[in-house]
Amino acid sequence: QKEVEQDPGPLSVPEGAIVSLNCTYSNSAFQYFMWYRQYSRKGPELLMYTYSSGNKEDGRFTAQVDKSSKYISLFIRDSQPSDSATYLCAMRSYTGRRALTFGSGTRLQVQP
Amino acid sequence: SQTIHQWPATLVQPVGSPLSLECTVEGTSNPNLYWYRQAAGRGLQLLFYSVGIGQISSEVPQNLSASRPQDRQFILSSKKLLLSDSGFYLCAWSIGGLAGGQETQYFGPGTRLLVL
Repeated sequence: QKEVEQDPGPLSVPEGAIVSLNCTYSNSAFQYFMWYRQYSRKGPELLMYTYSSGNKEDGRFTAQVDKSSKYISLFIRDSQPSDSATYLCAMRSYTGRRALTFGSGTRLQVQP
Repeated sequence: SQTIHQWPATLVQPVGSPLSLECTVEGTSNPNLYWYRQAAGRGLQLLFYSVGIGQISSEVPQNLSASRPQDRQFILSSKKLLLSDSGFYLCAWSIGGLAGGQETQYFGPGTRLLVL
């Protein structure tokens, strides 16, 4: 079983839809959670960073963490064609291994 | 502001040839530096990380090595490339000297390597 599971998609939605992207994880030591957006043939770009359960909002993006269920989500409101990309969740523990553990990414397509 | 550079952007190399990929960071001092590899349709796999000049930690045994000759320079190398070394190589940096898990990592544009 992978430490972080993420549906690869593709997820296709019409412009203006609310998008929900999710990851589940098995390592209860994970305390810090990130969402990255990666356009084709580009490096990942940090979108959201959170370390506590609950919601964090930034513009059209909301990150949600439920540590009791080991489940994180990214919501995109009023989705735009420019949001079409692969979204990667990443997480790490407070101590120990410095590397981020990534999900495999969900490919999102927003249709105009 | 901080900027991270990688080159080359794309590289096609024959099997058995050497490799040198370079990463440099601007606008910060003593960063933590990372090399990741991303296979098609898969997540990122950490290859090496460095907390300072000459300090390299390897995550997985492989055909690659890393060096950090200067504070903001990180190099990924191989003496003889294998077909399985093909992939998208990403360099990342985070603020050095922070305790615990506060290190948000920022990625460079990547190098696409194709070994034939």
